[in-house]
Amino acid sequence: DIQMTQSPSTLSASVGDRVTISCRASQSISSWLAWYQQKQGKAPKLLIYKASTLESGVPSRFSGSGSGTEFTLTISSLQPDDFATYYCQQYNSYLYTFGQGTKLEIK
Amino acid sequence: EVQLVESGGALVQPGGSLRVSCAASGFTLSNYSMNWIRQAPGKGLEWLSYISTSTRTKYYADSVKGRFTISRDNAKNSLYLQMNSLRAEDTAMYYCARPRRYDLDAVDIWGQGTMVTVSS
Repeated sequence: DIQMTQSPSTLSASVGDRVTISCRASQSISSWLAWYQQKQGKAPKLLIYKASTLESGVPSRFSGSGSGTEFTLTISSLQPDDFATYYCQQYNSYLYTFGQGTKLEIK
Repeated sequence: EVQLVESGGALVQPGGSLRVSCAASGFTLSNYSMNWIRQAPGKGLEWLSYISTSTRTKYYADSVKGRFTISRDNAKNSLYLQMNSLRAEDTAMYYCARPRRYDLDAVDIWGQGTMVTVSS
């Protein structure tokens, strides 16, 4: 199975900050990577697919990059609504795997 | 509105069985492969199972292989997960999940989840 490793596990930041979350795959997954945002008590929400394509309706302050085994999610200017947990997920294989999550907290 | 609604979650004793369901609306379920994904309390997301549109192909995570069975009824626009030999570590919110474009893809539609608690 493909292992996904996210870092950091927790990130403290302030409104207006630029933040970056990293995700590493245990083998090449081309660009078959998605990023999700999850708020407490809610289902995950798709933000980015194919490593860098923004899902419809997602604010442009979110961006993704990378290919192969190294990927990043960047939020250019944090808004109050962005404090949540973020997950990466590979879909290079039908056996989806997720990163362990990054909790973005208010500093 | 495109929607998935899970049901059937409950409190079950260890060793017991349960079937959870997922009703699709706003789209034609038969056009999409489908997945079950779960999340234990305070933990991350764990993919469990995949079923193709025709039901010919099914995949399972090692953690549930041999205990869980995925199925679908396209005529009823429904997806199911039969869970047997339940363990305490199966306690989780169970989500059905639809890929963006029919098959192997990011998940763009999630249900609200149904809670399964395994405890004596």
